[in-house]
Amino acid sequence: GDSVTQMEGPVTLSEEAFLTINCTYTATGYPSLFWYVQYPGEGLQLLLKATKADDKGSNKGFEATYRKETTSFHLEKGSVQVSDSAVYFCALSDRGSQGNLIFGKGTKLSVKP
Amino acid sequence: DTGVSQNPRHKITKRGQNVTFRCDPISEHNRLYWYRQTLGQGPEFLTYFQNEAQLEKSRLLSDRFSAERPKGSFSTLEIQRTEQGDSAMYLCASSSGQRVGAFFGQGTRLTVV
Repeated sequence: GDSVTQMEGPVTLSEEAFLTINCTYTATGYPSLFWYVQYPGEGLQLLLKATKADDKGSNKGFEATYRKETTSFHLEKGSVQVSDSAVYFCALSDRGSQGNLIFGKGTKLSVKP
Repeated sequence: DTGVSQNPRHKITKRGQNVTFRCDPISEHNRLYWYRQTLGQGPEFLTYFQNEAQLEKSRLLSDRFSAERPKGSFSTLEIQRTEQGDSAMYLCASSSGQRVGAFFGQGTRLTVV
């Protein structure tokens, strides 16, 4: 079945460091791909998405490119801030599904000043 | 519109009791989803409604679980004869389409003692 694999956390970075969180997926079709973020004490928020190969999703300085050849959707940010500390989830929605999401286990990011 | 609303935010119940959670989706969204999230894991899909019709149920949704969405507006998730293994965060999400991503509520945290 479809699945999402994220890099294990936690990830600890200093402010202004470069961030990469790896995400790879397995899907039978051509899924839409998403990154969600969960800040402490808050609900899941959609961070960015991409619906087809080579699309780049971006928001709040974060970017991810849909790579069909490597079945990947890695999240990147050039310069993280303390306020980026959160848990990040990669997810997919298969074309044949009803839009329900399959999530990775999440990666906790802590940014130190 | 303030987004997806879930009530209650927290519920502590004794094993064997029944509990019911409510979700009010974003008003113009016809798609509504329930997920369950346990500590250190990503959300897992439980069930999906399009308007008032329940179109998909996960194998995770045992016979003790039932969900409704009367008139295609708010939804309820009931768990009968709760077990300690039901302790989790129950998340509701709504969406306007299959590939646009979903908007999540803050969840109901259930603790079965």
